[in-house]
Amino acid sequence: DAKTTQPPSMDCAEGRAANLPCNHSTISGNEYVYWYRQIHSQGPQYIIHGLKNNETNEMASLIITEDRKSSTLILPHATLRDTAVYYCIVSSYGGATNKLIFGTGTLLAVQP
Amino acid sequence: NAGVTQTPKFQVLKTGQSMTLQCAQDMNHEYMSWYRQDPGMGLRLIHYSVGAGITDQGEVPNGYNVSRSTTEDFPLRLLSAAPSQTSVYFCASSRQVGSNTGELFFGEGSRLTVL
Repeated sequence: DAKTTQPPSMDCAEGRAANLPCNHSTISGNEYVYWYRQIHSQGPQYIIHGLKNNETNEMASLIITEDRKSSTLILPHATLRDTAVYYCIVSSYGGATNKLIFGTGTLLAVQP
Repeated sequence: NAGVTQTPKFQVLKTGQSMTLQCAQDMNHEYMSWYRQDPGMGLRLIHYSVGAGITDQGEVPNGYNVSRSTTEDFPLRLLSAAPSQTSVYFCASSRQVGSNTGELFFGEGSRLTVL
């Protein structure tokens, strides 16, 4: 599975959009990009995933570059409750396994 | 639905003791896995299972055993606990293997301290 690179930490003002970048330059054609977040010491929570097209759901938007070497998770209106560690993961989904390997993520601190 | 349930939530062991962390899910998920998270670190995959009777190793399997006799349960056994196994353990499950659902459901974690 491809590795990802994320900044260790970011700040964002409450009410503003939070844009979290992720580099995955060795991603292969059948690998998806997943985003999870972990609030304090709770279990991680799924946010969104995509293959090559941009995706949007009620939580966030995922923008994947055309060459698929990087992506950005966008929280359109960050709140204090969005303060968490955000994990970007790339992994193949299908076949015999669908294991996800987590890195160290980005700590997003939403400031009042 | 209770989702993914882990027990116990907290446990203190002495070096050399054995114990089992329990994980149960009521969503009829085929895939289940165990992760550990050390302070300030990301999650590391210990073992996973793609269905009853099938298990495989993840990144850090040494010192842990698993079995999957039913779809619902995926216990993690520490055979001889060591201080290096002090960690928070998360169990996770997801729908069918090969399904493009993308969503792992996690339990609340089991906090283990080995003295």
